[in-house]
Amino acid sequence: ETGVTQSPTHLIKTRGQQVTLRCSSQSGHNTVSWYQQALGQGPQFIFQYYREEENGRGNFPPRFSGLQFPNYSSELNVNALELDDSALYLCASSRRGTTDTQYFGPGTRLTVL
Amino acid sequence: AQSVAQPEDQVNVAEGNPLTVKCTYSVSGNPYLFWYVQYPNRGLQFLLKYITGDNLVKGSYGFEAEFNKSQTSFHLKKPSALVSDSALYFCAVRDPAEADSWGKLQFGAGTQVVVTP
Repeated sequence: ETGVTQSPTHLIKTRGQQVTLRCSSQSGHNTVSWYQQALGQGPQFIFQYYREEENGRGNFPPRFSGLQFPNYSSELNVNALELDDSALYLCASSRRGTTDTQYFGPGTRLTVL
Repeated sequence: AQSVAQPEDQVNVAEGNPLTVKCTYSVSGNPYLFWYVQYPNRGLQFLLKYITGDNLVKGSYGFEAEFNKSQTSFHLKKPSALVSDSALYFCAVRDPAEADSWGKLQFGAGTQVVVTP
């Protein structure tokens, strides 16, 4: 059984650029959630995907968007990057209707200059 | 709206002593509660959860937590701390009564645990 993987590990962008982060869910999981963890804070829920559709969203603007693919992997896209978008982005997968436990990937560290 | 509070930014304990990390929550219905641990430059590792049933739940690495509904608390405990337990600990809550709440965890700000030899 493979765990949750994320790519890339680190990323540096400049303000105004766009970025795509990727996540492969754990084997057997069908739901993916994305979180933003700013330095010194707890993770903040961005949104989740189930059956390739967004199914719940936190207080993040529309420039944060995502996709889920038929193999349950997912992408997080952020447009018009701002300095405050610098954070660790965490992906978590789970299997809806079972144990309700989310398993997290190692994260992608995004730095916006 | 759901919320989680971890009142201590840091907990210091000597190796071999009991460790307690505090968490209180606020939800409209019956909560689902979780503890995760984060090591430097790593993602979150699941420790344990309370969904229903016995108020004392046991998890990974010798950790346990007690759900107290009257005090709206879910404190994490370990009888004998190890130096390797030094990490950042997060409490999280999900309100299953909230629409589209699956996969939506509300995290506390985290508590840094420092275990000294």
